[in-house]
Amino acid sequence: EIVLTQSPATLSLSPGERATLSCRASQSVSNYLAWYQHQPGQAPRLLIYDASSRATGIPARFSGSGSGTDFTLTISRLEPEDFAVYYCQLRSTRPPSLTFGGGTKVEIK
Amino acid sequence: QVSLRESGPALVKPTQTLTLTCTLSGFSFKTNGLCMAWIRQPPGKALEWLARIDWDDDKYYTTSLETRLTISKDTSKNQVVLTMTNVDPVDTATYFCARDWGNWAFDLWGQGTPVTVSS
Repeated sequence: EIVLTQSPATLSLSPGERATLSCRASQSVSNYLAWYQHQPGQAPRLLIYDASSRATGIPARFSGSGSGTDFTLTISRLEPEDFAVYYCQLRSTRPPSLTFGGGTKVEIK
Repeated sequence: QVSLRESGPALVKPTQTLTLTCTLSGFSFKTNGLCMAWIRQPPGKALEWLARIDWDDDKYYTTSLETRLTISKDTSKNQVVLTMTNVDPVDTATYFCARDWGNWAFDLWGQGTPVTVSS
């Protein structure tokens, strides 16, 4: 079973700063990696799919990159509404299944 | 308006069967390529995928829970149902339903329904 490890667990930044979130897989994987933003009490929001494709309506300040075992979500300039928990998610094909990372909380410094 | 709404009991007793319903609005489960999943989040913990059902009735379950889970759909009611047998306090969580179009990236989520397992 593939394990996704997100780091750091918490990222303390100020609005306007750049956020770099890491998601590392326990073995080399396909690019079927997605990123979600989750605000407390709200539905999670799809940001990125297939490692680097932005979902519909997602601002350009969100970008995804990576391959193999290391993936990154970058928020170029943090807006107040970006302070939330971010999860990476990997699709496996044999058998079809899904794994989430443990999450990174982006908090206001 | 396109949305998902989860419903079910807020409290269930250990060993009972939990039944959760997800109602689709603004789109139909008859649409080719549509897939619906259940995902949960225990308090203070990460998201955990549970099951998925496709428009053609293919079904997938997380390995650790597959003996306890059943996912089904009622296209006439535009609903997806998840049953979990023999619940335990560790099953206490907020349960979400979510939509994807075959690529396992969930572009629409419900608000979630909290479930507590306690005697």
